[in-house]
Amino acid sequence: QVTLKESGPVLVKPTETLTLTCTVSGFSLSNARMAVTWIRQPPGKALEWLAHIFSNDEKSYSTSLRSRLTISKDTSKSQVVLTMTNMDPVDTATYYCARIWDREKYSFDYWGQGALVTVSS
Amino acid sequence: DIQMTQSPSSLSASVGDRVTITCRASQSVRSYLNWYQQKPGKAPKLLIYVASSLQSGVPSRFSGSGSGTDFTLTISSLQPEDFATYYCQQSDSIPPTFGQGTKLEIK
Repeated sequence: QVTLKESGPVLVKPTETLTLTCTVSGFSLSNARMAVTWIRQPPGKALEWLAHIFSNDEKSYSTSLRSRLTISKDTSKSQVVLTMTNMDPVDTATYYCARIWDREKYSFDYWGQGALVTVSS
Repeated sequence: DIQMTQSPSSLSASVGDRVTITCRASQSVRSYLNWYQQKPGKAPKLLIYVASSLQSGVPSRFSGSGSGTDFTLTISSLQPEDFATYYCQQSDSIPPTFGQGTKLEIK
């Protein structure tokens, strides 16, 4: 049974760095076909892709947020970590991690429940 | 980045109706187009991948078609549980991008 679960702070202050952890089970982060991605959704708005990481440590980032994002993984712990620097109130959103089940088809077949992060002083 | 535009942005329909949602890409994405359903307070759910392949467990009343820049998601006979927001997402190039969503409401 595949599951993903996000964890991290509920509230961060402007200019702080956000660190979110996605803990996965039911599949391995060493599977060459699969990857983990982060996607966010501001309240009432659309989905926005942030980053992905594959088993070979191949990483990609959102064009607009590239300078603020870092994604990494710890395969032994089945965890993927996303950090976002210099948080701003506009970064208030639900942050999801999801599985990319096939490198070529690149669709997100399992999602975490989401973690709502509020940026406020 | 490839821009994805969905139409309509919202739609009212009745149980039993046939509904079509359109997604247009700013450049060709070949057949690398996925559809998701999202209900309030829940994570999105994958419905269709590579334009027309039905994800396992998704009812057959959902279907997808298209290639290049124009795609459609069709629900053949709306059920009460289908009222939700639908998103398209292109996976032809990085970064993957989503449409703005289509909210399907009960008439």
